[in-house]
Amino acid sequence: SAVISQKPSRDICQRGTSLTIQCQVDSQVTMMFWYRQQPGQSLTLIATANQGSEATYESGFVIDKFPISRPNLTFSTLTVSNMSPEDSSIYLCSVEPRGGATGELFFGEGSRLTVL
Amino acid sequence: QKEVEQNSGPLSVPEGAIASLNCTYSDRVSQSFFWYRQYSGKSPELIMSIYSNGDKEDGRFTAQLNKASQYVSLLIRDSQPSDSATYLCAVNEDGGFKTIFGAGTRLFVKA
Repeated sequence: SAVISQKPSRDICQRGTSLTIQCQVDSQVTMMFWYRQQPGQSLTLIATANQGSEATYESGFVIDKFPISRPNLTFSTLTVSNMSPEDSSIYLCSVEPRGGATGELFFGEGSRLTVL
Repeated sequence: QKEVEQNSGPLSVPEGAIASLNCTYSDRVSQSFFWYRQYSGKSPELIMSIYSNGDKEDGRFTAQLNKASQYVSLLIRDSQPSDSATYLCAVNEDGGFKTIFGAGTRLFVKA
């Protein structure tokens, strides 16, 4: 397993502003994943972040809106840019500690964003 | 578009009964299958993974996989009120890094 810390745990933001979410893992991992969970819905993958390369974004998500950094094997950030109320959601960082061998994901506590 | 389908529920069972949760998936090349439990206000937590056809048991939980029917299920025996949560079915391609989640089934276990 892995211990994953996310900050902030929650925030209330104004429309048009940007917020950066941090994810710290207690062990080195090859890939980190950012998911979004909108109210009452399931998880949608935003992007996969590999250390040393640009993140890979899923359909419907673009780098200008959700820039991601991955400076080392234990840390990543997701920025939600130019926020609108539709961005109100829980953002989850996750890792697969065994390097893709099992597909088993472990999640951070999530960051609950409310955009006014 | 690869999909994972679950009955949203809620599924209500009395304490001590067997809860049966079902999931179907659309991508035939999927090789890895998972069940996550998510309590209200919490992040998902992995409870079972299954990779080959048949049953896999872990305590009160049994995962069942039928690749020919593209069907995964989770049985919870001797259900407890603490099992009340949303259960997410998830599917991953072999060698791929994208996990697709179903919408989840809400389970209520009545004391």
